[in-house]
Amino acid sequence: EADIYQTPRYLVIGTGKKITLECSQTMGHDKMYWYQQDPGMELHLIHYSYGVNSTEKGDLSSESTVSRIRTEHFPLTLESARPSHTSQYLCASSDLDPGNYGYTFGSGTRLTVV
Amino acid sequence: QKEVEQNSGPLSVPEGAIASLNCTYSDRGSQSFFWYRQYSGKSPELIMSIYSNGDKEDGRFTAQLNKASQYVSLLIRDSQPSDSATYLCAVTFSFGNEKLTFGTGTRLTIIP
Repeated sequence: EADIYQTPRYLVIGTGKKITLECSQTMGHDKMYWYQQDPGMELHLIHYSYGVNSTEKGDLSSESTVSRIRTEHFPLTLESARPSHTSQYLCASSDLDPGNYGYTFGSGTRLTVV
Repeated sequence: QKEVEQNSGPLSVPEGAIASLNCTYSDRGSQSFFWYRQYSGKSPELIMSIYSNGDKEDGRFTAQLNKASQYVSLLIRDSQPSDSATYLCAVTFSFGNEKLTFGTGTRLTIIP
């Protein structure tokens, strides 16, 4: 079954640690996105990619970085985690034209930095 | 001014009644419109898409689109407590189909 997977689902980590949040999709989608969402708040786009070796920063400034070496894989990395990075991170993917079918979201990673 | 606007709520509706959620958008040339449901602590899931003026029905859900007035709405008939969630409106704008633009969401509570 085609889907989009995020790991881990929950992560508690100490300040200063380097972390990578994984996102993989099996739908062959060219476009992938990372959103940050605090509880009860709106979605904020932090990174997106239109294909292999293509990455762009989103509307919300973020200290994270992303890479897109393979079509199906779009990991997000924080070099030095801080408590202000505590949030839910959502990965999504879409066709070349997201107007066709919208986005498919992963289950999210809830990150807590202590 | 936000490009996609929704009333943040909370909107409280008695069980069995019709819940009406509204969304307005700024770009008259917008082509595609989506409604997502997001339960607390979960990721958004797509429940309806609409592309043409008029109504589109899927079970208890009806999406309504009026491009002249630049609004899209979602009606939920026979509301159930399980419908309690935040509903996100998303739009693709005419100047580029590369991304969806999301509204801030309306929190809906169905009162038993």
